[in-house]
Amino acid sequence: ILNVEQSPQSLHVQEGDSTNFTCSFPSSNFYALHWYRWETAKSPEALFVMTLNGDEKKKGRISATLNTKEGYSYLYIKGSQPEDSATYLCAFLFGFGNEKLTFGTGTRLTIIP
Amino acid sequence: NAGVTQTPKFQVLKTGQSMTLQCAQDMNHEYMSWYRQDPGMGLRLIHYSVGAGITDQGEVPNGYNVSRSTTEDFPLRLLSAAPSQTSVYFCASKSRRDRRNTEAFFGQGTRLTVV
Repeated sequence: ILNVEQSPQSLHVQEGDSTNFTCSFPSSNFYALHWYRWETAKSPEALFVMTLNGDEKKKGRISATLNTKEGYSYLYIKGSQPEDSATYLCAFLFGFGNEKLTFGTGTRLTIIP
Repeated sequence: NAGVTQTPKFQVLKTGQSMTLQCAQDMNHEYMSWYRQDPGMGLRLIHYSVGAGITDQGEVPNGYNVSRSTTEDFPLRLLSAAPSQTSVYFCASKSRRDRRNTEAFFGQGTRLTVV
């Protein structure tokens, strides 16, 4: 069973502050890394799909970086807003042809107004 | 475009009862999967399918059955419900075309309680 670890488990951030959290995954046989945003009572929605070492992706105030050689990805949120409160999941796809996404346990982010 | 439709949203079962969670997608995705989400454990894969007629086990398959007779539907059957199966269940689908760069789409979830 592959280990995908996310830290921290939970985070409280003041509105307007910037924050970041980490996803660690096995560096061998890397294929793709996904980030999902999961709001309470809703279903997870994809933020980014990252495949190349050094990839940087951005969507509004949220961005992500990828280091496949050392096995980690960072998600950054700039100028946090209350609507950013959610659980952020990363998921790892390993090996060419493999279909199964292995999820981390998530980082629960709460923005304090 | 409906995406992934999962029913029911909530269900209470007695121990030993059986039931089927329905999942349908209208995006012509070849890959479909079922996850369960438990506190502190993240999403764990139960079963998955890469196309009609093909299914395989995930990380936690015991007590669950699946079949895939069409591309659109991927029902999950609980054979004899146990309290340990109390969880939130998510169905997800994904295109296998350009499989490296495509994300998964999730249903709305089913909150199941077994008493």
